[in-house]
Amino acid sequence: DTAVSQTPKYLVTQMGNDKSIKCEQNLGHDTMYWYKQDSKKFLKIMFSYNNKELIINETVPNRFSPKSPDKAHLNLHINSLELGDSAVYFCASSLSRGEAFFGQGTRLTVV
Amino acid sequence: GENVEQHPSTLSVQEGDSAVIKCTYSDSASNYFPWYKQELGKRPQLIIDIRSNVGEKKDQRIAVTLNKTAKHFSLHITETQPEDSAVYFCAADGPNSGYSTLTFGKGTMLLVSP
Repeated sequence: DTAVSQTPKYLVTQMGNDKSIKCEQNLGHDTMYWYKQDSKKFLKIMFSYNNKELIINETVPNRFSPKSPDKAHLNLHINSLELGDSAVYFCASSLSRGEAFFGQGTRLTVV
Repeated sequence: GENVEQHPSTLSVQEGDSAVIKCTYSDSASNYFPWYKQELGKRPQLIIDIRSNVGEKKDQRIAVTLNKTAKHFSLHITETQPEDSAVYFCAADGPNSGYSTLTFGKGTMLLVSP
């Protein structure tokens, strides 16, 4: 009965490939997020998705695209992977102005 | 958008000492301020939060204070223990026309020595 689950936990891929990370929450939350945590541990927001409205961090390259088939899912698709995309990606969910629950993280390594 | 600054980036204390981490935010309309603890290799987890209608909140050894006028809030940990060692993040939830956009500070690595 994991609250926020994301898969895969580890992802190793070559430069130029396209990959997806899946995220699901069973908390009934109305907001979902994707964060990137780099080697310096900085949690940088990439996307916030609330009731089909997408808030994009303008610094995120358009190779990254979130896809939400329904309120419980927010997947992250990445095109043309680059070395600099290597990081831990966290999915999270919350009620508006409430506690955010994080998934276990996906460690992406681009070689 | 919202900008959250957090200091210090690293904090080393002896077991039993107090630790204080400070954050400032830029958007005066932000009204929700959580603190997260992230242990090595694990996900961030909420340890305490405060809303803008409250000035201080306490939960056992941890407390958070909020100064809306100055736009800063602080985490206080008393009687620190080695298991308190982790990275701590402050965050602010900006108003953004009603949507949640939880913005984090850059984190503070707290090291508690026995």
